[in-house]
Amino acid sequence: EAGVAQSPRYKIIEKRQSVAFWCNPISGHATLYWYQQILGQGPKLLIQFQNNGVVDDSQLPKDRFSAERLKGVDSTLKIQPAKLEDSAVYLCASSLTTGIDNEQFFGPGTRLTVL
Amino acid sequence: SQQGEEDPQALSIQEGENATMNCSYKTSINNLQWYRQNSGRGLVHLILIRSNEREKHSGRLRVTLDTSKKSSSLLITASRAADTASYFCATDGGGGSYIPTFGRGTSLIVHP
Repeated sequence: EAGVAQSPRYKIIEKRQSVAFWCNPISGHATLYWYQQILGQGPKLLIQFQNNGVVDDSQLPKDRFSAERLKGVDSTLKIQPAKLEDSAVYLCASSLTTGIDNEQFFGPGTRLTVL
Repeated sequence: SQQGEEDPQALSIQEGENATMNCSYKTSINNLQWYRQNSGRGLVHLILIRSNEREKHSGRLRVTLDTSKKSSSLLITASRAADTASYFCATDGGGGSYIPTFGRGTSLIVHP
């Protein structure tokens, strides 16, 4: 079974530039998550989708971050404009559904460096 | 804010020894999960324990949950160098929704 795919794996940009990350979840997984993981910390949930609807985006900085999952499969996360503090690994995960017993499967992440 | 907090932040042991990590959380939960993260395999789910369970085993892993103390522990027995990784607990917010929240993690180094 193919895992969660993410691209790119690495990205270096200047502050105030824009960047987009792509995620393809495991086939059949209805729930998709985007996390931000700053060095030395645990992953922080940015947004959670159930199919193409948003379940939670309370920790997404909506003035600069946006995410979509238009067809309920792939998802993109965008940062516009980027700040130095956005340097982190951005993890995508998926699970069969949104439920209290779901197991999340994580992609390899995109390491973003903002200069 | 982080719901779960792992303790210790770092742990260094010799191969063959046992490693114990603890997680404390603040609000009621439906379940608690432990994940491992290393550079080779990324973040991987290890075990889930429900709020009505007290102990669970999976291979060399043993997880306990004490909801009265809002704490959980992960024990790795007979550790191996390959167990070197960061270990995170993840909790939900309780009730009918699942908004996963991870702690800062425990960094485990197992020396061969």
